[in-house]
Amino acid sequence: SSELTQDPAVSVALGQTVRITCQGDSLRSYYASWYQQKPGQAPVLVIYGKNNRPSGIPDRFSGSSSGNTASLTITGAQAEDEADYYCNSRDSSGNPFGGGTKLTVL
Amino acid sequence: QVQLQQWGAGLLKPSETLSLTCAVYGGSFSGYYWSWIRQPPGKGLEWIGEINHSGSTNYNPSLKSRVTISVDTSKNQFSLKLSSVTAADTAVYYCARVAVTYYYGSGSYYRVDAFDIWGQGTMVTVSS
Repeated sequence: SSELTQDPAVSVALGQTVRITCQGDSLRSYYASWYQQKPGQAPVLVIYGKNNRPSGIPDRFSGSSSGNTASLTITGAQAEDEADYYCNSRDSSGNPFGGGTKLTVL
Repeated sequence: QVQLQQWGAGLLKPSETLSLTCAVYGGSFSGYYWSWIRQPPGKGLEWIGEINHSGSTNYNPSLKSRVTISVDTSKNQFSLKLSSVTAADTAVYYCARVAVTYYYGSGSYYRVDAFDIWGQGTMVTVSS
């Protein structure tokens, strides 16, 4: 079982803002990274560290953290953002992933 | 442009050993950790373990007794072996580069990982 907890599904209207959360004790000490995965494709890193975006990731993606909760925010969601999103963070035993959140853009 | 190319057997019988290799092209091999991650059909991602260029490893405790990750720096390759496979090990297996940085907070240094480059994935099916 995952030590990082995510809501299984979230929906957002086109152009609106959505926050995807990840909860876990390790997040009190370690930053999360976030991955987008579309069907049949390998995951893609979208946010890491305090709030860093790899080259090529749109600036509508941002990350934040408070206490035991990390958040991925998409400001002005686009149709192409519909995907599964996974958080990941180090802990004392390794590098577990959250269970994933399926984002639907309406 | 760093690329990861992975290969290995896609169909195994129960009790056999899964063996996959990932080659790193177009970039530095040292200075990073290299990881294996898997995804059962229709399910989420599971971290298997990691290795650096010196051969230092970390494994998922739930798989540790069956997993070996090794490195061949002369070929810029790293490999995964998972022994005594069962149907529960059926999954897409990915190799990935781990970019590691550290930040200082609350009197300690904390590691920040990012799986920034992924292989194409290999579907491994375990069936009798």
